[in-house]
Amino acid sequence: EPEVTQTPSHQVTQMGQEVILRCVPISNHLYFYWYRQILGQKVEFLVSFYNNEISEKSEIFDDQFSVERPDGSNFTLKIRSTKLEDSAMYFCASSEEAFANTGELFFGEGSRLTVL
Amino acid sequence: QKEVEQNSGPLSVPEGAIASLNCTYSDRVSQSFFWYRQYSGKSPELIMSIYSNGDKEDGRFTAQLNKARQYVSLLIRDSQPSDSATYLCAVNSAPGSSNTGKLIFGQGTTLQVKP
Repeated sequence: EPEVTQTPSHQVTQMGQEVILRCVPISNHLYFYWYRQILGQKVEFLVSFYNNEISEKSEIFDDQFSVERPDGSNFTLKIRSTKLEDSAMYFCASSEEAFANTGELFFGEGSRLTVL
Repeated sequence: QKEVEQNSGPLSVPEGAIASLNCTYSDRVSQSFFWYRQYSGKSPELIMSIYSNGDKEDGRFTAQLNKARQYVSLLIRDSQPSDSATYLCAVNSAPGSSNTGKLIFGQGTTLQVKP
């Protein structure tokens, strides 16, 4: 069964360091997303991406965050200068075009980011 | 601020019973509603979607939607210990042509099914 894959599964970094989280969405999906979940809190939308550009971003997704689809398969989230409050589980998700306007998303297993 | 509210629980039911999970949402124009299941430390997994008022059944799961009351629920019949997880209600925040698939999630309700 097709799945969204994410690497690394866990990353520990020092405050102020740059982090790149990587995702391989399901191959025929055209919409890509990053969500995050701080421990014990809600899953929060960060950004949606379609046709090589950001479709929508949340207030959380400030200038420290960026996304990129560097080739035909990977979708990355970069945090330029990490803060303690960036510690969370980051979920990549993807959606078929037909379901993008309904919200049926497939999530990867997540990348846990710990900022010390 | 668009909100999705759930009772965090835990909701404890005996094996074989019906578990009833509830969710309310604040944005009246929301059109798409989802229930995701999240096991501890894992990612959300879509188990039900519902778009119209009424009931939608899929196996042991039934989703119920009442747009007038801004209320969506999930019933799990014949609950099994493997159903023990956190159930997340999610609402599509911008339906229609402007939609980008952004979901607003509730806090989640933890369900415990006791053997």
